[in-house]
Formats: sequence, structure tokens, C-alpha cells
Amino acid sequence: GAVVSQHPSWVICKSGTSVKIECRSLDFQATTMFWYRQFPKQSLMLMATSNEGSKATYEQGVEKDKFLINHASLTLSTLTVTSAHPEDSSFYICSADGFTDTQYFGPGTRLTVL
Amino acid sequence: TQLLEQSPQFLSIQEGENLTVYCNSSSVFSSLQWYRQEPGEGPVLLVTVVTGGEVKKLKRLTFQFGDARKDSSLHITAAQPGDTGLYLCAGEGYGNKLVFGAGTILRVKS
Repeated sequence: GAVVSQHPSWVICKSGTSVKIECRSLDFQATTMFWYRQFPKQSLMLMATSNEGSKATYEQGVEKDKFLINHASLTLSTLTVTSAHPEDSSFYICSADGFTDTQYFGPGTRLTVL
Repeated sequence: TQLLEQSPQFLSIQEGENLTVYCNSSSVFSSLQWYRQEPGEGPVLLVTVVTGGEVKKLKRLTFQFGDARKDSSLHITAAQPGDTGLYLCAGEGYGNKLVFGAGTILRVKS
């Protein structure tokens, strides 16, 4: 149980385009989902906290207009990287927080912006 | 701001050796998790420690939570090449947010 999926697993896009990443909790309802960013051989950096039906809370230094988060249901949160640039290339990971207050992590999405 | 200092950052050892990874903070955490992550994949939870002084064992891995719930350690006995990976500690802070340590890249050579 407690499986979290992400789609796509990897994406390559041109500079200036927008990319949407989906995070789904497959067998449980997630009241809260978290979005992280990870650079090679580094730790996870929390970008934002997404609560179902309300606006996401962004960490300091994360541009909310660039990284749009929508949490429309208890099983789905999306992260849209708008007007992507090469410096946005990274590994994006989501986690879903079930009612047990345990975060379950998705497999990650590798974004490469050319 | 809650911070977790994790050390060492890199560890390269021979198969059969023992090792310990440390996570320290000046903040108290309600719980602390240890994860292992393979390249290109998400972190996989190894253990959660909740009680100060708690010790948990997972085969050759021993996890300890400090009495004051500010620090933790991961000890691996007789490391094997399959233990190679990135190990992350994470403390549960305000609003159920996880505060991650910088990570320890472990390489076990055969």
C-alpha cells in the first residue's frame, strides 16, 4: 500500500515552454502533498506544500508564478513549470502525506530544458 | 529555521567494513526518518524513529535517535556493494514538513 506515482518519469522540452508534472496517490487519499527539487548528488529541497482545495504554500525563494501547483483532488497534485529555462532542469519529486502523517515519495521526474 | 547537519557527505569503503552516518541538529524533532535513494528514483523509507533514545534494527542497519530527539545515527555492519546509494535523514518539523540533511553518498567496493 501507500504508492505514489509521478508522470512523466522524464521530459525534455525547449526553453520557454511549460511542462506539467502529475503526482498521484494510488491507494490512499492525501490531504497534503509536497513538491521537492533535487540537484545531482544533493539532498531534496522543499519547494512547496500543496493542500487539497486550497492554495499551495511556497518556501522562501521559490517563485510561485513560475512553479504553479494545483491540488484539485485528494489523489492528484500537479506542478507546472512555466516558461522553463535550462536552469530549471532538475529532478522533481513529490510526496503524499496520508492520514498517518507519513510522507510517501514518488519516483521522481527528470526535467531537461534545452 | 530547523536544520539537520548530516555527515559524512561521502563515504567509500571496502566490502565488510562498518560505517556510521550522523545527523545532528540544535532543534527537536517529533520524529526522524532515514531514507535510501538510488539514482533516478525517489527516496525509499528505511525507518522512522519517534522516541528519544530509541534504537531500531533492520538487518545489518541500526538506527538510533538521541535522547533529546535532536540527533540520530545510522550504523551499517559488514557493508555490502548492495548498500551503495544516497542515504538521507529527515526530521519532521513544523506543519509535518520534512527537513532533510545534505545526504551521504555511500560507495561500497567489492
